Amino acid sequence: QKEVEQDPGPLSVPEGAIVSLNCTYSNSAFQYFMWYRQYSRKGPELLMYTYSSGNKEDGRFTAQVDKSSKYISLFIRDSQPSDSATYLCAMYNQGGKLIFGQGTELSVKP
Amino acid sequence: KAGVTQTPRYLIKTRGQQVTLSCSPISGHRSVSWYQQTPGQGLQFLFEYFSETQRNKGNFPGRFSGRQFSNSRSEMNVSTLELGDSALYLCASSLEAAGSYNEQFFGPGTRLTVL
Repeated sequence: QKEVEQDPGPLSVPEGAIVSLNCTYSNSAFQYFMWYRQYSRKGPELLMYTYSSGNKEDGRFTAQVDKSSKYISLFIRDSQPSDSATYLCAMYNQGGKLIFGQGTELSVKP
Repeated sequence: KAGVTQTPRYLIKTRGQQVTLSCSPISGHRSVSWYQQTPGQGLQFLFEYFSETQRNKGNFPGRFSGRQFSNSRSEMNVSTLELGDSALYLCASSLEAAGSYNEQFFGPGTRLTVL
């Protein structure tokens, strides 16, 4: 069983839809939860990071962490075709290694 | 400010050969981490170098090695290439050692194909 589980999709939504991306993890010692976005033929870029349970908002993006359930989410409001990319959740384990989810491929159709 | 650069961008090798990939971090960044990305396994941590010392290592065989120079540039080497080593190899740099939160900035990757 992987330490971080993420549905690989692909996920296809119409423009303007609300997108929900999720990851579960097994190790309660994980901290610093991140979401990366990766466009085709590019390296991942950091979208958001959170440390504690709760919500963090940045424009159309909201990151949510529920440590009691070992569950993190990324919500995208008013999705745009430019949001089409692979979204990766990631978190640091206690050894200082960054552990990634499988990535969810998102396509936003005009 | 220039981002993380990786060379070469694409590489084709045959089984049994060895390969060296190069990474130049963002100016001032002292930590360089390497990752392997494949469709089946996703992004997996290879190793991290900080101030020329390997600070952390993932679960990869000894055929995968790396080093970091005094100017923070890093190289990774894969010896005796196998078909399964075909992947996108990503380098990421951060100001300080990864772990307690330091944002890692990724390069565009080197696409290695092993025939």
